[in-house]
Amino acid sequence: DAGITQSPRHKVTETGTPVTLRCHQTENHRYMYWYRQDPGHGLRLIHYSYGVKDTDKGEVSDGYSVSRSKTEDFLLTLESATSSQTSVYFCAISDSDRDEQYFGPGTRLTVT
Amino acid sequence: GNSVTQMEGPVTLSEEAFLTINCTYTATGYPSLFWYVQYPGEGLQLLLKATKADDKGSNKGFEATYRKETTSFHLEKGSVQVSDSAVYFCALHSGGSNYKLTFGKGTLLTVNP
Repeated sequence: DAGITQSPRHKVTETGTPVTLRCHQTENHRYMYWYRQDPGHGLRLIHYSYGVKDTDKGEVSDGYSVSRSKTEDFLLTLESATSSQTSVYFCAISDSDRDEQYFGPGTRLTVT
Repeated sequence: GNSVTQMEGPVTLSEEAFLTINCTYTATGYPSLFWYVQYPGEGLQLLLKATKADDKGSNKGFEATYRKETTSFHLEKGSVQVSDSAVYFCALHSGGSNYKLTFGKGTLLTVNP
């Protein structure tokens, strides 16, 4: 299995609070991604990174920001959490832009 | 833009039955195609892939053939087991400057003993 961990694995937070999710990899892969998974929508890309300090928006980026200061860590921040951001968040990594992606175990976030 | 359409579930089969999950796609260029599997409470795992037309990906008894003429990548298994119960996602990657995977909505498979 690819060495990808996500923390926390579960979190409950209140509307309006900031939340940061962490993805850590030990594979030294260049590309990292954040997806959210919701019933009826499959997985949707939030943000991705193609190198240290190089990030770009995905299809559902509103209300989210990311940072990547080291190859191994990719942080996802919900600046002011809303109930619509209740979801399961997955981090993924890949070694090139055409390779398969490897997924972390997910973080279940509930915003009350 | 890119899109993936896969058959809606849930799909319920008896053990040893034949499985087909349909997947069709729309993409520019020559995408790579993937099937991922998600077991309950876990992340997605790559099941198989194909990177060019007429390639057949296979793994754990599952197969899928990249059909460019019909823009399809249907997943098949000749004899399913209870342990195959999971959600299956078809996905494509068009590469180049577009790094992201485009996923179908997933198909829940339940295999009964």
